Amino acid sequence: AQSVTQLGSHVSVSEGALVLLRCNYSSSVPPYLFWYVQYPNQGLQLLLKYTTGATLVKGINGFEAEFKKSETSFHLTKPSAHMSDAAEYFCAVRDDSGYSTLTFGKGTMLLVSP
Amino acid sequence: DGGITQSPKYLFRKEGQNVTLSCEQNLNHDAMYWYRQDPGQGLRLIYYSQIVNDFQKGDIAEGYSVSREKKESFPLTVTSAQKNPTAFYLCASTTRDREYQPQHFGDGTRLSIL
Repeated sequence: AQSVTQLGSHVSVSEGALVLLRCNYSSSVPPYLFWYVQYPNQGLQLLLKYTTGATLVKGINGFEAEFKKSETSFHLTKPSAHMSDAAEYFCAVRDDSGYSTLTFGKGTMLLVSP
Repeated sequence: DGGITQSPKYLFRKEGQNVTLSCEQNLNHDAMYWYRQDPGQGLRLIYYSQIVNDFQKGDIAEGYSVSREKKESFPLTVTSAQKNPTAFYLCASTTRDREYQPQHFGDGTRLSIL
């Protein structure tokens, strides 16, 4: 079975500082990995995905993530935080059920202070 | 623009009442999903459907029911058997292409108990 662990339910950064949100996964099949962002009372928006190929994946809004198989990690980074980045972030891994379902982490709330 | 429409945005349920949440997509996606989101719990899968007239239980299907009579519609009924229905409900969809495609999400329905 798949699982996703997001370290830290809340992460606080100052505007302009580096953003690092951690995600570790377990999967019995080659992992497809995703990061989604959720603003209050809205649905989830895809930030980026890793399926195959290059292990450094670039997404929207200046975010990127690196797939490290040896560490079973897929951490999300952004060099310089902006106030508009304040939101909840979810890491997800494809299930091996063959039904294109996902297993989500519990989410990390990013707080950005001026 | 194509997308997923969930309605209503807010819904209130009385004790012993069944309520139905609507999810419609015009993305021509085959697969559709219902998730429940509680604070600090991430997203948990309720039901999913890969094709019309077929659906499978997810991790927390008890107290819920669905139908898939049309490709574009996947309504979720929260029955009176669901004793703790207060949550944010998200609908998602995706294609079933050869390469896995990420799920697209609606903006959610917030259900509360009166």
